[in-house]
Amino acid sequence: NAGVTQTPKFQVLKTGQSMTLQCAQDMNHEYMSWYRQDPGMGLRLIHYSVGAGITDQGEVPNGYNVSRSTTEDFPLRLLSAAPSQTSVYFCASKQQFGGGEQYFGPGTRLTVT
Amino acid sequence: DAKTTQPNSMESNEEEPVHLPCNHSTISGTDYIHWYRQLPSQGPEYVIHGLTSNVNNRMASLAIAEDRKSSTLILHRATLRDAAVYYCILREIRGSYIPTFGRGTSLIVHP
Repeated sequence: NAGVTQTPKFQVLKTGQSMTLQCAQDMNHEYMSWYRQDPGMGLRLIHYSVGAGITDQGEVPNGYNVSRSTTEDFPLRLLSAAPSQTSVYFCASKQQFGGGEQYFGPGTRLTVT
Repeated sequence: DAKTTQPNSMESNEEEPVHLPCNHSTISGTDYIHWYRQLPSQGPEYVIHGLTSNVNNRMASLAIAEDRKSSTLILHRATLRDAAVYYCILREIRGSYIPTFGRGTSLIVHP
């Protein structure tokens, strides 16, 4: 198993550009989520999905879109990048409703200039 | 969600035990206590979890107070590789729960 994979590892965007951060997992997990981590801070939940076709907002959803067309993939779209979105983005998955540990990807470091 | 309180940082020497505290005075009867850690430049990784009884695994031990209002993650012999940020999280047993993370405790291990 590759676990949770994220691409790209690093990205630099100009203000106003859009892009998609990719996340995939090969563990057949129902739950997937996106977090952002700013320097010296904990992780904040952006969006999450409890299964294909179902998504919901977390703590800081503004400026981001998600969709979940398959169990394996959960891309995060930045609609119009802003410097405030400079952060490290982590994708995670977990197996089941309510329980189980979360598995995290290695992260994408995004800089918006 | 019930909140947790952890010290910002702790220090230890290599090969010594480390006790990382977590207060969760508003914990409900259906909340599990989870611990994750985040090594530098990596995503968080699961360490251990428990409900009422103390728990042991290959990474650590979890001691839960009898009233469940606090818990302690115990690393029996700290190594340099244990230097990380440790997060204590409460997870509801029911519901579509996705963990939220605070700032955690930054553990510094001295050689």
